[in-house]
Amino acid sequence: EDQVTQSPEALRLQEGESSSLNCSYTVSGLRGLFWYRQDPGKGPEFLFTLYSAGEEKEKERLKATLTKKESFLHITAPKPEDSATYLCAVRTAGGGNEKLTFGTGTRLTIIP
Amino acid sequence: EAQVTQNPRYLITVTGKKLTVTCSQNMNHEYMSWYRQDPGLGLRQIYYSMNVEVTDKGDVPEGYKVSRKEKRNFPLILESPSPNQTSLYFCASSFARGETQYFGPGTRLLVL
Repeated sequence: EDQVTQSPEALRLQEGESSSLNCSYTVSGLRGLFWYRQDPGKGPEFLFTLYSAGEEKEKERLKATLTKKESFLHITAPKPEDSATYLCAVRTAGGGNEKLTFGTGTRLTIIP
Repeated sequence: EAQVTQNPRYLITVTGKKLTVTCSQNMNHEYMSWYRQDPGLGLRQIYYSMNVEVTDKGDVPEGYKVSRKEKRNFPLILESPSPNQTSLYFCASSFARGETQYFGPGTRLLVL
């Protein structure tokens, strides 16, 4: 069974304090790894897609990286507006149903 | 503006009273999907549709129905809601199966 595990569940950082969020996965036939941001009461907002080990993508203070077993979302010098829940999802093709399997997210709080 | 819309945003109902949650997208996407989000369980796929008149079960389809009569609309139907269907529901769409999914704002459902 495909599994996606995100850690930590929650993370509190001071403004400007850099850190990383982890997404580890056990899947058959990875076809892509997605990062989303979700604000309270809103739908997930797409951030990045990574397809192969070694790939990196950046957007403002966020940088996503991918290995064969996990992905990291690095946040550099975060600001309070970066506070949100960050979701990781993997695209798999197990059993003929290509779909996204989501982790439960990391709730990030940036303290001014 | 490209978007996925859902209605209603909030709904309180009683056990057994049929309800429909509408979903519409204006991006001409072929693939649409419904998810439910519960604390500690992440986003789980209920049903998906590859195109008009083509729908299939996701991971948690019991108690739900869908239809896809037009490309832009993908309503979720609960014929006899039960309290265990109390959840936050999201509709999503993408150009094709497995591609980046764009989410609606969510519908919070409470079944008494």
